[in-house]
Amino acid sequence: QKEVEQNSGPLSVPEGAIASLNCTYSDRGSQSFFWYRQYSGKSPELIMFIYSNGDKEDGRFTAQLNKASQYVSLLIRDSQPSDSATYLCAVKRQAGTALIFGKGTTLSVSS
Amino acid sequence: NAGVTQTPKFRILKIGQSMTLQCTQDMNHNYMYWYRQDPGMGLKLIYYSVGAGITDKGEVPNGYNVSRSTTEDFPLRLELAAPSQTSVYFCASSFSTGANEQFFGPGTRLTVL
Repeated sequence: QKEVEQNSGPLSVPEGAIASLNCTYSDRGSQSFFWYRQYSGKSPELIMFIYSNGDKEDGRFTAQLNKASQYVSLLIRDSQPSDSATYLCAVKRQAGTALIFGKGTTLSVSS
Repeated sequence: NAGVTQTPKFRILKIGQSMTLQCTQDMNHNYMYWYRQDPGMGLKLIYYSVGAGITDKGEVPNGYNVSRSTTEDFPLRLELAAPSQTSVYFCASSFSTGANEQFFGPGTRLTVL
């Protein structure tokens, strides 16, 4: 099992809809979880991080963490065409220093 | 602040050539990282450093070397370039580990022919 798994997509949603991006991880001791957005040809930029079970909201974005299920998700409300990008899930393991990244999910929001 | 800067932006190498990818950050971050990203793939850690004079291997270190003589600079050296090293290379830095944001540079697109 890969350490961090994401559905590569593409995930296609209409403008104004909710986009749901999912990520599972294998190391049960993982401590911190990050969602990065990467536009084509650009570098990743942090959207949110979460380290406690439950939901964390920031504007149109909500991160959800369930450590028992080893599952983290990102919800994007009122999706806009400008949200079209690849979303990378990253996990900091208990004993690690650097982040372990998933392959990313490509989101396409159509107007 | 310029953040994390990388040079060059693009480079084409011939098999067997060597080169150094430069990375500089002006945020006084202790931690610095080198990743590579192949098409359709996530980021894979090559090397990282927790401070000047301290470096450690990541997931894919073979064919690369690093040094960290100052807090600001973290160059990545490719010796004997191979086609398998064709990739986009990102340098990143963070204040510390844990729930701390990693800031990424703009990347270097390297092609080895």
